[in-house]
Amino acid sequence: NAGVMQNPRHLVRRRGQEARLRCSPMKGHSHVYWYRQLPEEGLKFMVYLQKENIIDESGMPKERFSAEFPKEGPSILRIQQVVRGDSAAYFCASSPKGTGQVNEQFFGPGTRLTVL
Amino acid sequence: AQKITQTQPGMFVQEKEAVTLDCTYDTSDQSYGLFWYKQPSSGEMIFLIYQGSYDEQNATEGRYSLNFQKARKSANLVISASQLGDSAMYFCAMTLTSGTYKYIFGTGTRLKVLA
Repeated sequence: NAGVMQNPRHLVRRRGQEARLRCSPMKGHSHVYWYRQLPEEGLKFMVYLQKENIIDESGMPKERFSAEFPKEGPSILRIQQVVRGDSAAYFCASSPKGTGQVNEQFFGPGTRLTVL
Repeated sequence: AQKITQTQPGMFVQEKEAVTLDCTYDTSDQSYGLFWYKQPSSGEMIFLIYQGSYDEQNATEGRYSLNFQKARKSANLVISASQLGDSAMYFCAMTLTSGTYKYIFGTGTRLKVLA
């Protein structure tokens, strides 16, 4: 059973370009979380999605950032018109369930975005 | 609102010795989970150990144990018999067992194991 997959692992963009980060959850997982880790900081929650639905986007910047998790295919985190402050590691995590007891999330290897 | 505090930005430990990494949390909820993750220089997040708020026994996983003191709202990670490969960033995190189950992370502790 493959783990959470993220691609690309490293992404370099110039200011003003768009960045698309992809996350394929573990097989059987229908809940996806995105986190951002700025240099020398802990991970911060951005958005929580289920298939075709955004459940909680309270951690998403109001502009330029969007996320989706379509019925088919990976979850996408999209950053439009990137700025240098967007340089960070972006982690995706998936979970088999969103209710009940412990919600163990399985993390992908992250995408390191560098904005020049 | 939930909060995780890790007050040790960096720690040193001699190889083969034990080390305790501190974590305190703040929540008014009664039902929650606490996690520790290791992040080596390669960057991935490696799950180490989990403690539920209703678990009466401290969690253990091999050389890792979690010293859970509910009244003090602390969840310290103890690594026994440190190895050079334990050198990494360590993050404490919590999640509620209701709502959206997002994780709240601390700022991390960088552990260096000395030969």
